[in-house]
Amino acid sequence: GAVVSQHPSWVICKSGTSVKIECRSLDFQATTMFWYRQFPKQSLMLMATSNEGSKATYEQGVEKDKFLINHASLTLSTLTVTSAHPEDSSFYICSGWGQQETQYFGPGTRLLVL
Amino acid sequence: DAKTTQPTSMDCAEGRAANLPCNHSTISGNEYVYWYRQIHSQGPQYIIHGLKNNETNEMASLIITEDRKSSTLILPHATLRDTAVYYCIVRVAAPGDDMRFGAGTRLTVKP
Repeated sequence: GAVVSQHPSWVICKSGTSVKIECRSLDFQATTMFWYRQFPKQSLMLMATSNEGSKATYEQGVEKDKFLINHASLTLSTLTVTSAHPEDSSFYICSGWGQQETQYFGPGTRLLVL
Repeated sequence: DAKTTQPTSMDCAEGRAANLPCNHSTISGNEYVYWYRQIHSQGPQYIIHGLKNNETNEMASLIITEDRKSSTLILPHATLRDTAVYYCIVRVAAPGDDMRFGAGTRLTVKP
């Protein structure tokens, strides 16, 4: 199957700082990638859809100015959590459609804001 | 999107087949049935998908009923490493569409 990587795999930061998470499709090109977050004991929730060369679209309730998404190339999308607060602590996961009608997910990035 | 219904949890003995059911009675003709699993603290892993016909790969088999209103994921010889949450998702295979996750089935494989 197709491979999606994320970096970093985990990050701890102080409240008020910004954190950038990278998502790369290693063996396929993705004009669209998706960002999810998952809180403990809950399922994945879509945050936003990242479109190469254009603005991301955000799900209702997700602040676009807080979660900045950049999709500068067909293999890289980044999510920046600006002015992070403890309530932003979560597991962030990206995905993209690979070959054969299948969506592949990254390994996730665990964010802890102190 | 078609809603799916899965049991909350299931147990399976190691070495036995694990059969995970999924109901999707409102599925549309162009919607696929996808199965993913999530092992603790990891991203979802693709398992298998199908439209009408039964499918098999190195990980599992997918059995879709003739009316397409339900399906079963079969792990032929479950191991302890198959312990995970399994998600059944019904979705059109369109690159612009995300996957919508429900609660899934927590499968515990026991020695």
